[in-house]
This record gives sequence, C-alpha cells and structure tokens, in this order.
Amino acid sequence: QSVLTQPPSVSAAPGQKVTISCSGSSSNIGNNYVSWYQQLPGTAPKLLIYDNNKRPSGIPDRFSGSKSGTSATLGITGLQTGDEADYYCGTWDSSLSVLVFGGGTKLTVL
Amino acid sequence: QVQLQESGPGLVKPSQTLSLTCTVSGGSISSGDYYWSWIRQPPGKGLEWIGYIYYSGSTYYNPSLKSRVTISVDTSKNQFSLKLSSVTAADTAVYYCARVMVAGTIAFDIWGQGTMVTVSS
Repeated sequence: QSVLTQPPSVSAAPGQKVTISCSGSSSNIGNNYVSWYQQLPGTAPKLLIYDNNKRPSGIPDRFSGSKSGTSATLGITGLQTGDEADYYCGTWDSSLSVLVFGGGTKLTVL
Repeated sequence: QVQLQESGPGLVKPSQTLSLTCTVSGGSISSGDYYWSWIRQPPGKGLEWIGYIYYSGSTYYNPSLKSRVTISVDTSKNQFSLKLSSVTAADTAVYYCARVMVAGTIAFDIWGQGTMVTVSS
C-alpha cells in the first residue's frame, strides 16, 4: 500500500483535459515538493513536473502541476493518444525519511 | 546529452547478491551538480526508490532496504553501482538508474532504460 494515493485509472477523449490526483499527508505532500512522472508502455519513467509545478526543458505546457494542502494534481490538456501511459507522483516523506511514489494511475485516451 | 545505461546479470539465485552497474555518458558524474540513484519496479507494480549517492561517496538508502543495500561510485569510470544482498523472489524487478536533480525536492530527471533482474534458482 503506497503512502501516496492515486486513482488506479482515468480516461478521457482526445483533445479533452484530464486531472490525476495524488493524496498524501502533512509528512509528505503537505511539507515537501511533488514531482510527476510519465511511463509509456515498456519504457522508463520520464520526469514531467518537479517542485510542484515546474516543467523540465522539452515538456510541453499541456502538462501542469499544482498542490494544495496534502494533495497534488497533474493536469493534461489537449489529450493525445500518445499520452496513454502510467503516471506517478513522488515526494519526500519526512516521517519515514524516504522518497515515496504513488501507486500510479493508468491514463486511457478513448 | 547525458545518458545512463544499466548493466549486470539478468538472473540471480536466491540468497545471493545482486550486482548492477550504471554507466554515465555525455557528462561527468563528478560535476557535483547531481546525485545518482537506483529505483526498481516489480513486474506490473509501482516504483520503489532504493537509494542515492553523491560523487564524493556519501549515500542515503531507503530504510526498508538499508541492511541489504550498498551503492558505490567509481568516478574514474564514470559509473555507480548497486549491490543488494540476500535476495529473494520479492527482489525480482526492473532496476533503473537515474540522475537526481536536487531542486526544491528530489526529482529524477534522466533515467536509464532499465534492466530486468529475476531472482530464481
């Protein structure tokens, strides 16, 4: 059972917007920055968002991140079939002294 | 651009030690701007952080694995390595090496392709 809770799956139509939530506690999301990763089938994860809402170079602005209290959200606009992947949130847990990931969310673009 | 590549045996017997190496190309592991990490993913499951190392040799491990894990660095070869002792079937996973950017938090900005390690007799 992951310390960070994500919905197992989300879906939306091409061109639409989707959000993926990541729920934690004061020992992790509440007091630390959050990062988000995209894992396309059969490939290594790729960093999409760090420090809650910053995008690395090369990541399109269709991807956005936000945080409020003990929850974080990844938003994806203008959905494309190529966005079908597993998405993971991650952050430091100050109580456990460990980097933790959410259980992952599978995005289906219908 | 910086690339990471894992290497090592794909099959390890139970109770033995898993040993993997990550070779960094396109940049120096000694630049001091980054840490270097190992992360694993059991088949069909999520990600688990194993630990990280700085080029100076300082390390930090996941407390749940700390008693069995050693991460080391060889700056002359631009490599860092993972050793996991007393393995069981539960250690079967894809093992990734990754570069750690230390911004507001720890984030893994470059990943290797991953290497599958199976623990079986």
